[in-house]
Amino acid sequence: GQQVMQIPQYQHVQEGEDFTTYCNSSTTLSNIQWYKQRPGGHPVFLIQLVKSGEVKKQKRLTFQFGEAKKNSSLHITATQTTDVGTYFCAGRSSGYALNFGKGTSLLVTP
Amino acid sequence: EAGVAQSPRYKIIEKRQSVAFWCNPISGHATLYWYQQILGQGPKLLIQFQNNGVVDDSQLPKDRFSAERLKGVDSTLKIQPAKLEDSAVYLCASSLMASGSTDTQYFGPGTRLTVL
Repeated sequence: GQQVMQIPQYQHVQEGEDFTTYCNSSTTLSNIQWYKQRPGGHPVFLIQLVKSGEVKKQKRLTFQFGEAKKNSSLHITATQTTDVGTYFCAGRSSGYALNFGKGTSLLVTP
Repeated sequence: EAGVAQSPRYKIIEKRQSVAFWCNPISGHATLYWYQQILGQGPKLLIQFQNNGVVDDSQLPKDRFSAERLKGVDSTLKIQPAKLEDSAVYLCASSLMASGSTDTQYFGPGTRLTVL
């Protein structure tokens, strides 16, 4: 079945540094979504990417979908303490089900 | 707009006991999902309903887990009997529709289950 892998598992940065998490799928995806989960909270939708090579920006966050639609990345510029949490990618290949990666936990030190 | 409601928020049971969780999705959302999130992992889809029909239950351990959404609105997830490895957060999510250009899933706060 489809597997979604995320790296790194953890990332600890100083406030102001950049952060990137990568997502790779074993199969071609029809779309990929990104979610953020704060400690003790529930996943919150950030964005969906559908087109090959698509790039979307949300303020300091940049999301990319690979040309082959098998990988994606989330880049945060100049991290802030409010960025702390776990970032999940979730990919859909055929059918309806979203398969979540294990997430990248980001810790930002002031 | 009210979000996805879940109850209870916490539940502690002993192994071999039964437990049920309830979810009320956002009003008007046709699709409802139940996920299991084990500590340190991403959510794993257990079952997906569109209205009152099951779309995907391929990862639901059907020997002990069951779910229903009889009137196409709220849903219950049951575990009978529970095992130690069922300890997890059970998340309910809903979306307007399962397909389309965007089907944002809105998650509820989850039910944290501890099986002793």
